[in-house]
This record gives sequence, structure tokens and C-alpha cells, in this order.
Amino acid sequence: DTEVTQTPKHLVMGMTNKKSLKCEQHMGHRAMYWYKQKAKKPPELMFVYSYEKLSINESVPSRFSPECPNSSLLNLHLHALQPEDSALYLCASSQEETGYSYEQYFGPGTRLTVT
Amino acid sequence: AQKVTQAQTEISVVEKEDVTLDCVYETRDTTYYLFWYKQPPSGELVFLIRRNSFDEQNEISGRYSWNFQKSTSSFNFTITASQVVDSAVYFCALSGFLLRKTSYDKVIFGPGTSLSVIP
Repeated sequence: DTEVTQTPKHLVMGMTNKKSLKCEQHMGHRAMYWYKQKAKKPPELMFVYSYEKLSINESVPSRFSPECPNSSLLNLHLHALQPEDSALYLCASSQEETGYSYEQYFGPGTRLTVT
Repeated sequence: AQKVTQAQTEISVVEKEDVTLDCVYETRDTTYYLFWYKQPPSGELVFLIRRNSFDEQNEISGRYSWNFQKSTSSFNFTITASQVVDSAVYFCALSGFLLRKTSYDKVIFGPGTSLSVIP
């Protein structure tokens, strides 16, 4: 099973709302990622969790708050977003082993619109 | 610096034609990995291939083939007898060990090439 699931598929939220994106994988991967992708651009890395600990935060504004409750789940909590945060948010996972770089498996994404 | 260039922004071909997507990379690492991903209109990125810097063998998988040449820092992707289902954005990506902050590698994506296969 090489599936990464994400919910919801679409989300429209106002600038004062609080919402959460969810991601789940059952491949036993110990690295999980959040990316943001704008139209006609490559994915931009936001956060990386390695063994359920936050490894990398790519200077993401605090209105985005990641959480990794266990090795299979990854959440992204959203609060007080701006219209420019509208994008496709992709979750991915990969194996984690020092000295190697493994392919990432991506979920279908959440298309977020901030009004 | 690590960088991936995909000079072809958009390509259109007629079904059954062969098409090659170019990827040129820059890195100071001696050990690195290269990837290709496909992103169809549905939005999900699909992994196609991973290659490490010590393995210069070309690879063929069905209608897909990859040509890795370290001498020219290129990792090109050819689709033979293209089909409408091949229409997608294709990303070449690079990860190396100089960027390691932990055991995780940050992947550098190229800008992508949008391929349209016309029936």
C-alpha cells in the first residue's frame, strides 16, 4: 500500500477561521512533509517531521502550525490565514535512513481557498 | 549551490510521438539522488524514478526511459509513443547531502515541464 490520504480535498475558509488539514500514511514511513504549491510552480517545502519530531521549519509563518500525533498522522492547523495562502497543500512521506535519500509518496492534496 | 533546471516550460506533442524532457542539475555533492515526479491535472505528485549519483545506467520502464549523464549533469526523461494519459507536469528533483540538517534531505524541485499530448 503506497497511499497517502489527505482530508479535506477542498477547503474554503475566512481569514478569521481556524481549520485543520489531515494526512495519514500506513507505509511505516518515519519522515512526513508538508508542502505548499501555487499554480504552475513546484512544491515548496514547509515542514518536515522525522520520527514524529519537527526537523525542519522552512521559516513558515506562525499562522501555520504542524502537529504529528503519531507515526502515521500529520496535521496542519490553520489560523488567521491571508488570501495569499490560497494554494494546494500537499502531504508526503518517505523512508528515513541516514546516508540515503528516498522517494516521497504524496497525497492528493487539499485545495485551500482563503476568502 | 544546488539547482535543477528544466528549460522546457511547455511541450505539446501529437499522440504516439516520442518526447524527451530535459533536466540539468547543479550540485557540489559527490553523493546525490535524482528523481522524476509526474503531476497530472488531479494534483497528486506521482513518483517515477530515483537514481543515485553512482549509478549511471540508463533505465527503461515500459514506455518510459531515463538517460543519466554525470559528464553533462543531465538526467533526461523520454516517453516513447506518447499517450493522452501522459499529459501532466513533470518535475525533476535533486537531493544531496550538503543540505542535510538532520538525517533528512531537502529535495530541490525543478520548475517543471508541462506536457500536453494531443489526440
